[in-house]
Amino acid sequence: QLQLQESGPGLVKPSETLSLTCTVSGGSISRNSYFWGWIRQPPGKGLEWIGSIDYSGSTYYNPSLKSRVTISVDTSKNQFSLKLRSVNAADTGVYYCARAPGGSASDIWGQGTMVSVSS
Amino acid sequence: QSVLTQPPSVSAAPGQKVTISCSGSSSNIGNNYVSWYQQLPGTAPKLLIYDNYKRPSGIPDRFSGSKSGTSATLGITGLQTGDEADYYCGTWDDSLSAVVFGGGTKLTVL
Repeated sequence: QLQLQESGPGLVKPSETLSLTCTVSGGSISRNSYFWGWIRQPPGKGLEWIGSIDYSGSTYYNPSLKSRVTISVDTSKNQFSLKLRSVNAADTGVYYCARAPGGSASDIWGQGTMVSVSS
Repeated sequence: QSVLTQPPSVSAAPGQKVTISCSGSSSNIGNNYVSWYQQLPGTAPKLLIYDNYKRPSGIPDRFSGSKSGTSATLGITGLQTGDEADYYCGTWDDSLSAVVFGGGTKLTVL
Protein backbone atom coordinates (compact mmCIF):
# COMPACT_ATOMS: atom_id res chain seq x y z
CA GLN A 1 0.00 0.00 0.00
CA LEU A 2 1.43 3.32 -1.07
CA GLN A 3 2.33 5.70 1.74
CA LEU A 4 3.71 9.24 1.80
CA GLN A 5 5.70 10.79 4.63
CA GLU A 6 6.78 14.40 4.94
CA SER A 7 10.01 15.35 6.67
CA GLY A 8 11.90 18.55 7.35
CA PRO A 9 12.49 21.29 9.92
CA GLY A 10 9.52 22.36 12.01
CA LEU A 11 10.88 25.86 12.50
CA VAL A 12 12.23 28.22 9.84
CA LYS A 13 13.43 31.79 10.30
CA PRO A 14 11.87 34.64 8.33
CA SER A 15 13.53 35.31 4.95
CA GLU A 16 15.09 31.82 4.91
CA THR A 17 14.17 28.81 2.78
CA LEU A 18 11.66 26.17 3.85
CA SER A 19 12.74 22.74 2.63
CA LEU A 20 10.59 19.63 2.90
CA THR A 21 10.89 16.12 1.51
CA CYS A 22 8.17 13.59 0.83
CA THR A 23 9.25 9.95 0.88
CA VAL A 24 7.09 7.55 -1.10
CA SER A 25 6.97 3.93 0.09
CA GLY A 26 5.09 0.91 -1.21
CA GLY A 27 5.33 1.97 -4.85
CA SER A 28 7.44 3.75 -7.42
CA ILE A 29 7.38 7.51 -7.83
CA SER A 30 8.31 7.03 -11.48
CA ARG A 31 5.02 5.45 -12.50
CA ASN A 32 3.47 7.10 -15.53
CA SER A 33 0.44 9.37 -15.24
CA TYR A 34 0.89 10.34 -11.60
CA PHE A 35 1.39 13.85 -10.27
CA TRP A 36 3.09 14.49 -6.94
CA GLY A 37 2.17 17.65 -5.11
CA TRP A 38 2.29 19.86 -2.08
CA ILE A 39 -0.70 21.43 -0.31
CA ARG A 40 -0.58 23.57 2.81
CA GLN A 41 -3.04 24.66 5.48
CA PRO A 42 -2.48 27.70 7.71
CA PRO A 43 -3.68 27.25 11.29
CA GLY A 44 -7.48 27.30 11.41
CA LYS A 45 -7.79 27.95 7.68
CA GLY A 46 -8.47 26.07 4.45
CA LEU A 47 -6.34 24.19 1.96
CA GLU A 48 -3.97 25.93 -0.44
CA TRP A 49 -2.36 24.14 -3.38
CA ILE A 50 1.35 24.93 -3.66
CA GLY A 51 2.24 22.98 -6.78
CA SER A 52 2.87 19.63 -8.43
CA ILE A 53 5.39 17.74 -10.49
CA ASP A 54 4.39 15.08 -12.97
CA TYR A 55 5.97 11.83 -14.08
CA SER A 56 7.93 13.60 -16.84
CA GLY A 57 9.35 16.20 -14.47
CA SER A 58 7.10 19.02 -15.58
CA THR A 59 6.16 21.38 -12.76
CA TYR A 60 2.99 23.35 -12.07
CA TYR A 61 2.92 26.07 -9.42
CA ASN A 62 0.33 28.22 -7.69
CA PRO A 63 0.70 31.62 -9.39
CA SER A 64 0.67 33.34 -6.01
CA LEU A 65 3.73 31.35 -4.89
CA LYS A 66 5.44 30.65 -8.20
CA SER A 67 8.28 33.13 -7.74
CA ARG A 68 9.34 31.46 -4.48
CA VAL A 69 8.66 27.75 -5.08
CA THR A 70 10.62 24.87 -6.53
CA ILE A 71 9.38 21.27 -6.58
CA SER A 72 11.74 18.51 -7.68
CA VAL A 73 11.89 14.72 -7.80
CA ASP A 74 14.67 12.31 -6.87
CA THR A 75 13.65 9.01 -8.43
CA SER A 76 16.71 7.20 -7.02
CA LYS A 77 15.43 7.88 -3.51
CA ASN A 78 11.72 7.67 -4.39
CA GLN A 79 11.26 11.18 -3.00
CA PHE A 80 10.04 14.57 -4.09
CA SER A 81 10.85 17.87 -2.45
CA LEU A 82 9.58 21.36 -1.84
CA LYS A 83 11.63 24.52 -1.47
CA LEU A 84 9.90 27.76 -0.54
CA ARG A 85 12.19 30.76 -0.45
CA SER A 86 11.99 34.01 1.48
CA VAL A 87 9.41 32.74 3.96
CA ASN A 88 7.42 34.92 6.33
CA ALA A 89 4.87 34.34 9.06
CA ALA A 90 2.10 33.82 6.49
CA ASP A 91 3.87 30.65 5.37
CA THR A 92 3.26 29.02 8.75
CA GLY A 93 1.03 25.97 8.60
CA VAL A 94 0.73 22.26 8.03
CA TYR A 95 2.33 21.11 4.79
CA TYR A 96 1.01 17.98 3.11
CA CYS A 97 2.45 15.98 0.25
CA ALA A 98 0.02 14.04 -1.91
CA ARG A 99 -0.36 11.88 -5.00
CA ALA A 100 -2.71 12.93 -7.75
CA PRO A 101 -3.50 10.36 -10.46
CA GLY A 102 -4.20 12.49 -13.50
CA GLY A 103 -3.49 15.81 -11.81
CA SER A 104 -6.38 17.39 -9.91
CA ALA A 105 -7.74 14.99 -7.31
CA SER A 106 -5.28 13.84 -4.63
CA ASP A 107 -6.02 10.31 -3.53
CA ILE A 108 -3.16 9.60 -1.12
CA TRP A 109 -1.90 12.11 1.40
CA GLY A 110 0.93 12.23 3.88
CA GLN A 111 0.07 12.87 7.51
CA GLY A 112 1.31 16.44 7.22
CA THR A 113 4.09 18.32 8.95
CA MET A 114 3.74 21.57 10.89
CA VAL A 115 6.14 24.32 9.87
CA SER A 116 6.38 27.52 11.85
CA VAL A 117 8.11 30.63 10.54
CA SER A 118 9.52 32.57 13.45
CA SER A 119 12.76 34.15 14.60
CA GLN B 1 -11.01 34.68 -0.57
CA SER B 2 -11.26 31.23 -2.14
CA VAL B 3 -11.87 30.74 -5.87
CA LEU B 4 -14.57 28.17 -5.10
CA THR B 5 -17.39 29.18 -2.75
CA GLN B 6 -18.72 26.86 -0.06
CA PRO B 7 -21.04 27.56 2.85
CA PRO B 8 -19.00 27.95 6.06
CA SER B 9 -21.15 25.49 7.96
CA VAL B 10 -24.04 23.05 7.67
CA SER B 11 -25.75 20.94 10.26
CA ALA B 12 -28.24 18.11 10.45
CA ALA B 13 -29.40 15.43 12.83
CA PRO B 14 -28.07 11.87 12.91
CA GLY B 15 -29.65 9.72 10.21
CA GLN B 16 -30.63 12.71 8.12
CA LYS B 17 -29.24 13.92 4.79
CA VAL B 18 -27.16 16.99 4.13
CA THR B 19 -25.82 18.64 0.99
CA ILE B 20 -22.81 20.91 0.64
CA SER B 21 -22.56 23.20 -2.34
CA CYS B 22 -19.47 24.37 -4.20
CA SER B 23 -19.82 27.25 -6.62
CA GLY B 24 -17.25 28.25 -9.20
CA SER B 25 -17.01 29.50 -12.77
CA SER B 26 -16.58 28.37 -16.34
CA SER B 27 -12.79 28.33 -15.95
CA ASN B 28 -12.84 25.84 -13.10
CA ILE B 29 -15.90 23.74 -12.22
CA GLY B 30 -17.57 24.48 -15.55
CA ASN B 31 -14.75 22.87 -17.50
CA ASN B 32 -13.05 20.40 -15.15
CA TYR B 33 -13.67 17.51 -12.81
CA VAL B 34 -14.51 18.23 -9.18
CA SER B 35 -13.22 16.35 -6.17
CA TRP B 36 -14.35 16.39 -2.55
CA TYR B 37 -12.32 15.82 0.62
CA GLN B 38 -13.19 15.08 4.24
CA GLN B 39 -10.86 16.38 6.93
CA LEU B 40 -11.46 15.04 10.41
CA PRO B 41 -10.02 17.13 13.24
CA GLY B 42 -6.24 16.92 13.38
CA THR B 43 -5.90 14.66 10.37
CA ALA B 44 -4.97 14.92 6.70
CA PRO B 45 -7.72 15.38 4.10
CA LYS B 46 -9.21 12.20 2.69
CA LEU B 47 -10.53 11.89 -0.86
CA LEU B 48 -14.26 11.20 -0.88
CA ILE B 49 -15.28 11.95 -4.47
CA TYR B 50 -13.30 12.41 -7.70
CA ASP B 51 -14.29 13.08 -11.29
CA ASN B 52 -17.50 14.77 -10.04
CA TYR B 53 -19.24 11.64 -8.72
CA LYS B 54 -16.83 8.67 -8.47
CA ARG B 55 -15.99 7.17 -5.07
CA PRO B 56 -12.56 5.71 -4.25
CA SER B 57 -12.50 2.19 -2.97
CA GLY B 58 -13.67 2.04 0.62
CA ILE B 59 -15.82 5.17 0.55
CA PRO B 60 -19.41 4.22 1.45
CA ASP B 61 -22.24 5.04 -0.94
CA ARG B 62 -23.68 7.36 1.70
CA PHE B 63 -21.39 9.90 0.07
CA SER B 64 -22.32 11.14 -3.41
CA GLY B 65 -21.23 13.88 -5.75
CA SER B 66 -22.83 15.73 -8.63
CA LYS B 67 -22.07 18.64 -10.90
CA SER B 68 -24.25 20.98 -12.90
CA GLY B 69 -22.80 23.85 -14.89
CA THR B 70 -20.45 25.80 -12.64
CA SER B 71 -21.59 24.25 -9.37
CA ALA B 72 -21.03 20.96 -7.61
CA THR B 73 -22.71 19.30 -4.68
CA LEU B 74 -21.65 16.76 -2.10
CA GLY B 75 -24.43 14.72 -0.54
CA ILE B 76 -24.20 12.70 2.65
CA THR B 77 -27.05 10.45 3.73
CA GLY B 78 -27.57 8.53 6.96
CA LEU B 79 -25.52 11.07 8.90
CA GLN B 80 -23.34 9.74 11.72
CA THR B 81 -21.54 11.60 14.47
CA GLY B 82 -18.31 10.37 12.89
CA ASP B 83 -19.11 12.45 9.80
CA GLU B 84 -18.43 15.64 11.75
CA ALA B 85 -15.56 17.17 9.82
CA ASP B 86 -14.53 19.88 7.42
CA TYR B 87 -15.34 19.22 3.77
CA TYR B 88 -13.52 20.79 0.83
CA CYS B 89 -14.19 20.85 -2.89
CA GLY B 90 -11.36 21.17 -5.39
CA THR B 91 -10.75 21.35 -9.09
CA TRP B 92 -8.37 22.69 -11.74
CA ASP B 93 -8.72 26.28 -12.87
CA ASP B 94 -7.83 26.85 -16.52
CA SER B 95 -7.33 30.60 -16.14
CA LEU B 96 -5.06 30.32 -13.12
CA SER B 97 -3.42 27.08 -14.29
CA ALA B 98 -3.70 25.90 -10.73
CA VAL B 99 -5.59 23.54 -8.46
CA VAL B 100 -8.13 25.54 -6.47
CA PHE B 101 -10.09 24.65 -3.35
CA GLY B 102 -13.20 25.90 -1.69
CA GLY B 103 -12.90 27.55 1.70
CA GLY B 104 -14.28 24.48 3.42
CA THR B 105 -17.57 23.63 5.11
CA LYS B 106 -17.82 22.50 8.71
CA LEU B 107 -20.41 19.77 9.16
CA THR B 108 -22.05 19.45 12.55
CA VAL B 109 -24.17 16.39 13.30
CA LEU B 110 -26.51 17.57 16.02
